[in-house]
Amino acid sequence: QSALTQASSVSGTPGQRVSISCSGSRSNIGNNGVSWYQQFPGKAPQLLMSRTSQRPSGVPDRFSGSKSVTSASLAITGLQSDDEADYFCATWDDSLGGVVFGGGTKLTVL
Amino acid sequence: VQLQESGPGLMKASETLSLTCAVSGASISSGNYHWTWIRQPAGKGLEWIGHFYTTGSIDYNPSLRSRVTISFDTSKNAFFLKLVSVTASDTAVYFCVRNSAAFYGATPSFDSWGLGILVTVSS
Repeated sequence: QSALTQASSVSGTPGQRVSISCSGSRSNIGNNGVSWYQQFPGKAPQLLMSRTSQRPSGVPDRFSGSKSVTSASLAITGLQSDDEADYFCATWDDSLGGVVFGGGTKLTVL
Repeated sequence: VQLQESGPGLMKASETLSLTCAVSGASISSGNYHWTWIRQPAGKGLEWIGHFYTTGSIDYNPSLRSRVTISFDTSKNAFFLKLVSVTASDTAVYFCVRNSAAFYGATPSFDSWGLGILVTVSS
């Protein structure tokens, strides 16, 4: 069982806005920023968002990140078929003394 | 920066897993980076195994600490993972990754990943 909780799946239609949530606790998301990763089947994950809301170079501004207390969210606007992938959140856990991940959310573009 | 994992693809239970991550395009002994091992069982989520910082400090996932050793060789610009007494539950794709988090406890930012190596443990 993952330290961070994500819905197993979410879906949307092209052009729609979807949000992927990541729920944690005071010792992880409550005290630290969150990063997000996009993973296509058979590939390594790629950094999508760092420090909660910072987009690395090359990531479209359709992707945005936010955090509130012990939960974080990744929003995708103008949904495209190429966005269909698995999405993972990650943060540092002060109690564990290490990195924790969410279980991942599979995004399906209908 | 490029990272490349190597090691056995198939093992038997109770054996010791040894993986190597060869790094090119960056020095593992400079900069503010955590060089990390992460694994992913098929169809499941990611699990942080541990990392070392460029100062040489090493941290492990408490759930694996008793079985894991991470080491490095700056002359080869490579780092290593050793996992003893493997079982079928250790079957996973193992990734070596660079974390550009600048200090201990900083928000992880895994910005460079190896392709991953599938390790299968048979019982």
